[in-house]
Formats: sequence, structure tokens, C-alpha cells
Amino acid sequence: GENVEQHPSTLSVQEGDSAVIKCTYSDSASNYFPWYKQELGKGPQLIIDIRSNVGEKKDQRIAVTLNKTAKHFSLHITETQPEDSAVYFCAASKGAAGNKLTFGGGTRVLVKP
Amino acid sequence: EAGVAQSPRYKIIEKRQSVAFWCNPISGHATLYWYQQILGQGPKLLIQFQNNGVVDDSQLPKDRFSAERLKGVDSTLKIQPAKLEDSAVYLCASSLAENTEAFFGQGTRLTVV
Repeated sequence: GENVEQHPSTLSVQEGDSAVIKCTYSDSASNYFPWYKQELGKGPQLIIDIRSNVGEKKDQRIAVTLNKTAKHFSLHITETQPEDSAVYFCAASKGAAGNKLTFGGGTRVLVKP
Repeated sequence: EAGVAQSPRYKIIEKRQSVAFWCNPISGHATLYWYQQILGQGPKLLIQFQNNGVVDDSQLPKDRFSAERLKGVDSTLKIQPAKLEDSAVYLCASSLAENTEAFFGQGTRLTVV
């Protein structure tokens, strides 16, 4: 089955700096890669996603890149703010948007004011 | 629009006891998922329903876990008997269809002592 590795497990950045989280996946058939943000006591919330026919996608301060050949994808957060502090999960799926997601282990991001 | 509702929010039981969790998906969502999230890890899919039929239960420990989605709306997940390693947050998610975004509930935190 699919295996998703996520690094780093914790990330501390100064407010205004950039944060980068990297994930690798094992199944070359995976074609959908979402990123979720999970705040304390809440369920994961989708923040951005990318499909295998696209190399990069951007939404305001958040961007995701995908390298299908190397089987890795990354989340980039620019101009970080204290409210960006949370646990971020990458995931991969062979089917489609919500279908049978395999999650990475998560990255705890702390933005220091 | 109301989100995915789960109850209870917290549950503490002794090992070998039974427990049940309830999920009410977003109205009109045909696909429903149950995930297990052990502390410090990403969510792991336990079972996926399409309406009232099971699509995937390959990672459900069927000797102790069961789930149903009668009438294709609400769903219950049961554990009997519980083990210490079942301590986790149980997340329910729903999506309009299999290939659309999954929305997560807040989860039920289970502690087995």
C-alpha cells in the first residue's frame, strides 16, 4: 500500500519568515495530494491540494509543489503569522479528492511572535 | 452549513469494555469515512461508506471493530472489547461523492485505561 513520509516533525519559525514542509510518497499511481491543517481539539481542515497533472499551485501565502519523478511534494508558507501555528498533514490518494487518503505523520509548526 | 457532527467528544473506558461513537455527516454527503488518529500520528482510514454500502474496510480490525451506516446517513463505530492500544481520536469525515473534498468532524477522543 501507499506510504507517506513527512519531514520535519516539528518546525519553529519567527513571525514573517517562511516555513517549508516536505513529503515523499511510495505509490507512483497516487495522483491527488492534499494538505490539511489541524488545530488543537479540531479535525483536519483542507488548506490546499494539488493533482498530478500540475507542478505547482498557489493560494495567497500558501503554495504546494509536486515532483512526480522524485515522488515528493512540499508545502510552502510565506510571511508566517502566529495563527499559522498548528499541525500540518500531507496526504496522498490514488482515487480522487477525499478517497482513501494516506496521511503523513504530521508537522507541528510554531510561529514565534 | 452545518459541519460533520460527532459525539461524544470524550470517552474514558476500561479495557475489555465496549464503546460506540456516532457521526452525522454533512447533509447530502454520500461518502462517509471513519479515521483513527493515534497521538502524534496522522489519521489512518478505518472504513469508507458510499451511501449505506462499505467501499473499503481493509484496515478495520474486524475482530473488535464494527461500523454501520443504516439508511445512508448517520453512522456508528463500535469497539468491543476495547484494548489499551485503541486509545486515539476517532475522526469522522464526509464528502459529497468519492472524488470530492472530505470534511472532518472534531473527533471523539477515546482513552482506554
